[in-house]
Amino acid sequence: AQSVTQLGSHVSVSEGALVLLRCNYSSSVPPYLFWYVQYPNQGLQLLLKYTSAATLVKGINGFEAEFKKSETSFHLTKPSAHMSDAAEYFCAVSYKDSSYKLIFGSGTRLLVRP
Amino acid sequence: EAGVAQSPRYKIIEKRQSVAFWCNPISGHATLYWYQQILGQGPKLLIQFQNNGVVDDSQLPKDRFSAERLKGVDSTLKIQPAKLEDSAVYLCASSAGLAGGRHNEQFFGPGTRLTVL
Repeated sequence: AQSVTQLGSHVSVSEGALVLLRCNYSSSVPPYLFWYVQYPNQGLQLLLKYTSAATLVKGINGFEAEFKKSETSFHLTKPSAHMSDAAEYFCAVSYKDSSYKLIFGSGTRLLVRP
Repeated sequence: EAGVAQSPRYKIIEKRQSVAFWCNPISGHATLYWYQQILGQGPKLLIQFQNNGVVDDSQLPKDRFSAERLKGVDSTLKIQPAKLEDSAVYLCASSAGLAGGRHNEQFFGPGTRLTVL
């Protein structure tokens, strides 16, 4: 079955430090890959997506992610954390054969310390 | 451009009662999704509509959940009767459609937080 694993339910970094949120997927077919951010009491906002073009994807708010097929990974990074980055982050996959429905990981809560 | 609208934002009911949620997608979006997000988990797809037809409802608990999308625009999700484990945030999303083999971005509404006592 297709699934997404996000390592670490909580990640804490200092303001200005590197942010690294991990995402691995399990399928033999490369999926479309997404990172969403969710602020308290709000819906999900798309940060970036990989749809079989360049493997290094740049998104909003200075985030980027790299698709590594050999590692079945799509880790999210940001060089310097800002207080406003504190939120819940979800990795998701979708497949054309599954009508593009999104399959989400369990999420990682990012805490940014001053 | 207006985003995806949902109402109510919050609902508290007792178990065995019924409840309904409403979603108005972005104008012109053919595809509409309902997701259930239980606390501490990622959203899980309940049902997907393409216009007013169902594309995928494999994870919808059909003994108590129902959804419809009349006229291919607004959608209503109903739970009857509710159980304690239905406490969750119900997210609605819409996208431009499935045509052309392209993956269309899904836009999410703010969600409805349901508490079942």
